[in-house]
Amino acid sequence: DSGVTQTPKHLITATGQRVTLRCSPRSGDLSVYWYQQSLDQGLQFLIQYYNGEERAKGNILERFSAQQFPDLHSELNLSSLELGDSALYFCASSEDGTEQETQYFGPGTRLLVL
Amino acid sequence: GDSVTQMEGPVTLSEEAFLTINCTYTATGYPSLFWYVQYPGEGLQLLLKATKADDKGSNKGFEATYRKETTSFHLEKGSVQVSDSAVYFCALSGFNDYKLSFGAGTTVTVRA
Repeated sequence: DSGVTQTPKHLITATGQRVTLRCSPRSGDLSVYWYQQSLDQGLQFLIQYYNGEERAKGNILERFSAQQFPDLHSELNLSSLELGDSALYFCASSEDGTEQETQYFGPGTRLLVL
Repeated sequence: GDSVTQMEGPVTLSEEAFLTINCTYTATGYPSLFWYVQYPGEGLQLLLKATKADDKGSNKGFEATYRKETTSFHLEKGSVQVSDSAVYFCALSGFNDYKLSFGAGTTVTVRA
């Protein structure tokens, strides 16, 4: 158990809908990262937050947004969902959010868009 | 940009066999290198890491050595068990980079 928690574990929804994925980092970690794991793209970095502020952005679609709250939990919002958004979404956390720091991953949220 | 190339699987082995999974990388400067493991139905777990050239990471019988001259970080285990069946990901975090860049993953199945 990494100490990173994610909810829900599974999510099934329809095209065009909006969903929110939630992540709580390990105790003491200030930085949160979001990754998407899909069969065709593999594991792709989406976005990083540090202490409430966006720090780095990867291949995140404009339909997707994220935020980190004062209690350091983070939410990833996915809107206007398409079939291709079906994937496993991972949250990771690290202590300081600095370069090359070890990241600890949560169990993931499996999203199925029908 | 930074990238990681892993040997393609799937790899099927018998118990107590030797496992090696090749990983090479492309990066500027001196990246940190990681191996993560994903057991069936679970998330990613850090297996081992190395942060500078010639460092050897080790954990649970697995080892990998950071070789700058060959830009490689191959994973090895001398005697695998059925419980080692999983998907293994090589990853790097580049110089001045916050994200992890992952290889495609190698599926390993160990048969009793």
